[in-house]
Amino acid sequence: AQTVTQSQPEMSVQEAETVTLSCTYDTSESNYYLFWYKQPPSRQMILVIRQEAYKQQNATENRFSVNFQKAAKSFSLKISDSQLGDTAMYFCAFRDDKIIFGKGTRLHILP
Amino acid sequence: GAGVSQSPSNKVTEKGKDVELRCDPISGHTALYWYRQSLGQGLEFLIYFQGNSAPDKSGLPSDRFSAERTGGSVSTLTIQRTQQEDSAVYLCASSLMGLAVGELFFGEGSRLTVL
Repeated sequence: AQTVTQSQPEMSVQEAETVTLSCTYDTSESNYYLFWYKQPPSRQMILVIRQEAYKQQNATENRFSVNFQKAAKSFSLKISDSQLGDTAMYFCAFRDDKIIFGKGTRLHILP
Repeated sequence: GAGVSQSPSNKVTEKGKDVELRCDPISGHTALYWYRQSLGQGLEFLIYFQGNSAPDKSGLPSDRFSAERTGGSVSTLTIQRTQQEDSAVYLCASSLMGLAVGELFFGEGSRLTVL
């Protein structure tokens, strides 16, 4: 069965710093999708970034980028120039037919 | 609709009562998912629908939980004889199927409190 592991339950960084959230997963599939979702205190889950496994190039969305290492089954999220609004729970997720989520990392951006 | 809509947003019930939670997905989305999120925890997969059928019910915690989807649109998650451990936020999400797309669009959830 597929599993997703986020080893950092909670992190805090100063505003404007760069922070990296780690994620590893386990699968025997070769074609799949990986995602990072953000859940602010409002509870609404929002897609941050996604990566197709067949693409070698790391996905980037403005201040958010990933380091996708397929052989190592690693999918970390880097947030550059962090902002107070980035404070949220961040979930790594894996998809083949259904989407499996990690337990999340609670990120605090400190002023 | 513009997004995934869930109702009620909050529900308080007494132990032993039945509850129904409703999800109205984005129009045209064929896949619909239910997740449960306990306080401060990750998302626990419950069930997903492709059209009106549920290929994977493996996440339903017990036979007190059931879900249906009619007309390829609205889904209802029913919890019978609720227990205090059922207290959680129940999230619904929908998506287009196929390898070209993979994003889930989430509703705001239904917070269930069982007293």
